[in-house]
Amino acid sequence: DVKVTQSSRYLVKRTGEKVFLECVQDMDHENMFWYRQDPGLGLRLIYFSYDVKMKEKGDIPEGYSVSREKKERFSLILESASTNQTSMYLCASRDRIVSYEQYFGPGTRLTVT
Amino acid sequence: GQSLEQPSEVTAVEGAIVQINCTYQTSGFYGLSWYQQHDGGAPTFLSYNALDGLEETGRFSSFLSRSDSYGYLLLQELQMKDSASYFCAASGSARQLTFGSGTQLTVLP
Repeated sequence: DVKVTQSSRYLVKRTGEKVFLECVQDMDHENMFWYRQDPGLGLRLIYFSYDVKMKEKGDIPEGYSVSREKKERFSLILESASTNQTSMYLCASRDRIVSYEQYFGPGTRLTVT
Repeated sequence: GQSLEQPSEVTAVEGAIVQINCTYQTSGFYGLSWYQQHDGGAPTFLSYNALDGLEETGRFSSFLSRSDSYGYLLLQELQMKDSASYFCAASGSARQLTFGSGTQLTVLP
């Protein structure tokens, strides 16, 4: 059974803090993604990675960075959290060959106060 | 870039058939996917259309018309457990997905 896990289900941080969101997949997928989900806006792509040490900006990368040092792990970093980054963050992975299906983690609901 | 439009809400009764439409504007389109998300849950993949026509998977079917930049998800024999949000998503040239804003389906008894 395929699995994508995220380090925290709920997280509360203060403005200005550095925040790390971790995502791990056990499917040996090459591609991994970070989205944020806000009511009425659907899922918006922040960053994605085609393979280890590779990263590409998505539609809304400002204020975020990522790290992919190992194939199974993709980290999202908020360098200095702000209240407008309060959101649900979803990680996903995808097989390079069967490239139309993404597998999502349960999400991290981040609140920045 | 890509943008997708879908209705924000749809309501139907148990046993009925419901169609959720999705129109897209895109530069570089490869296919249209549909995802289901229950409250508090992760989005899960339902279907993918790369070619024009209808794809059927059990009670769910998905349709694509490239010439009309239009697709829909058809849910038959609605059940209470089908109450969820449904997202269409377009695949671009780099195969990453652009999602619509989602349709909240409510199934009434």
